[in-house]
Amino acid sequence: AQKVTQAQTEISVVEKEDVTLDCVYETRDTTYYLFWYKQPPSGELVFLIRRNSFDEQNEISGRYSWNFQKSTSSFNFTITASQVVDSAVYFCALSEANRDDKIIFGKGTRLHILP
Amino acid sequence: DVKVTQSSRYLVKRTGEKVFLECVQDMDHENMFWYRQDPGLGLRLIYFSYDVKMKEKGDIPEGYSVSREKKERFSLILESASTNQTSMYLCASSFPDIYTDTQYFGPGTRLTVL
Repeated sequence: AQKVTQAQTEISVVEKEDVTLDCVYETRDTTYYLFWYKQPPSGELVFLIRRNSFDEQNEISGRYSWNFQKSTSSFNFTITASQVVDSAVYFCALSEANRDDKIIFGKGTRLHILP
Repeated sequence: DVKVTQSSRYLVKRTGEKVFLECVQDMDHENMFWYRQDPGLGLRLIYFSYDVKMKEKGDIPEGYSVSREKKERFSLILESASTNQTSMYLCASSFPDIYTDTQYFGPGTRLTVL
């Protein structure tokens, strides 16, 4: 069965610190997709990244980076030099190939960036 | 940019009322979804639709129904609202392409049932 675990329920860091959000997944499929979404206080889930299971290259986008390791079934998300605007709930998610109706979300990590 | 809109940001209803939550997307997406989000439980799929007039049950369909008469619009219906349906409801849409299929979400409707 598919499962996504975000063990960190809540994290607080001081502005400008780096922070890593952990995501561990379980799936029997060989082809799957991993996602990260951000949910700011306004409530809308904002898509951040989609990664397919055949692409283990790390991704960097500005202050955001993602580390995908199939050996440990992890897809961790790092924010470098955090800012107050990064405060949000972050969700990691998993889906089977061609079946995005089966997206499984983790329970989310609430990130507080303190000024 | 993908735009998914929901008819209300906040809604207060009474137990037993029939409630309609509307969702509209402007990107000609095939798939549309309704989730509810509750503290500690994350997002749970209620229903989804992969085409007009088509619908599939998600993980928690009990107490809900849906309607998709037009491609851009997907409605969630609470036939007789109950207090345990107080929640945040999120609509999403996606295009079923293996290279790009990603769900895009609306702003959510926070429903309170008294």
